[in-house]
This record gives sequence, structure tokens and C-alpha cells, in this order.
Amino acid sequence: NAGVTQTPKFQVLKTGQSMTLQCAQDMNHNSMYWYRQDPGMGLRLIYYSASEGTTDKGEVPNGYNVSRLNKREFSLRLESAAPSQTSVYFCASTELAKNIQYFGAGTRLSVL
Amino acid sequence: GQQVMQIPQYQHVQEGEDFTTYCNSSTTLSNIQWYKQRPGGHPVFLIQLVKSGEVKKQKRLTFQFGEAKKNSSLHITATQTTDVGTYFCAGLSSGTYKYIFGTGTRLKVLA
Repeated sequence: NAGVTQTPKFQVLKTGQSMTLQCAQDMNHNSMYWYRQDPGMGLRLIYYSASEGTTDKGEVPNGYNVSRLNKREFSLRLESAAPSQTSVYFCASTELAKNIQYFGAGTRLSVL
Repeated sequence: GQQVMQIPQYQHVQEGEDFTTYCNSSTTLSNIQWYKQRPGGHPVFLIQLVKSGEVKKQKRLTFQFGEAKKNSSLHITATQTTDVGTYFCAGLSSGTYKYIFGTGTRLKVLA
């Protein structure tokens, strides 16, 4: 099993450009999450999807949109990137019965 | 909103010394989890505590959940260079699927 796979691993954008971060899990988990990690800030929840067909805002949703395409895939879209969105983005999925979060390797995004 | 704070933010220890990080929530938590993130890596689950006053051990690591379910601690005995990384606590917000992560404690171990 690959676990949680994120693409791309690295990305550089210019201000105003758009892009979609992809996340897929092969563990048949119901819940999926998007976090951003900034130095000294820990992990902050952007959006989550408790189950297929549902999405909810986290702590810092402004400037982002998400799509739960199916049970496996949960994508994060930046419509008009800003320098403040420079960060490391992690996707995670959870097996509800155990509440354990499994993280992908992350996407390192720079917005110039 | 709900906040989870960790102290200290950084800790440098000599190899063989003990290390403790503390986690405090502004609200009662359903459970508390601990994760470790190696430099350049992603968070990896260590343990979950559910019961008030619970104590769990994993080799040199001891985890505690406070009686009021609002605080927790991680203690490492006789640190090794392999313990280097950032340790995060995370609480499941009651009645939701949302995890609130602490700010993390970055541990450096000097050989």
C-alpha cells in the first residue's frame, strides 16, 4: 500500500496563478484533511471531508477550495495564489474507528 | 476558537538527558494524540490517549493525559540522537472530526 500520496512535491507559482494540489489514499479511509504548516505555527487545518460527498471549513479556509472527488481523492485548489500562501501543505486521512491520522509527504509551495 | 498550546517551543538537550513537552488545550478534548515529525518529513502518529488520567509508555517515551482532559505531556528518558524532531500534540474537538494541533516542540539532541 502506498498510503497517502500527494502531488506535486514541489511547486513555484507567481502571484495570481492558480493550481490544484492532489491527494489520494488507498486505505479506504472515510475522512480526509488538508493542513498547512508554517514555521512556528504548527499544523493548521484548511478544510476537511468527514466522508465522501461532504466538505467543511477548518481554521484557515480563505483563499482555498476543495473537492472530494470520490472516497480516495481530496484535492485542494488555489484560485489566485498569494505570497501568504507560501507554505508546506499536508494531506491526511483517518480511519475513524482508531482516529489515527496518516499524512502524505507534503507539497512545498512557494508563491513569488 | 479552540486553541492548543505547547511548551517549550524549542529544546536543546545533551544526549542522555531527559526531555518533556507539555500540551494545554483551552477546552476539554475527546482524546489527545502525539505525533513526531523528523526534519523535512511528515508527522507520524505515536500514540493516542482517551481516558482521564491515562498514562501510556512506549520504551523511553511516557505519555500522560490530564484528569480534566485539557492537558497532556510527553516525557523522553535518556534522549538519543534519533529522538530529534518536532513533537506535536493534537486534540479531537468534541463532537466533530476536526483535529486541533498544538504549536509543536522542536527537540535537538547534542551528541
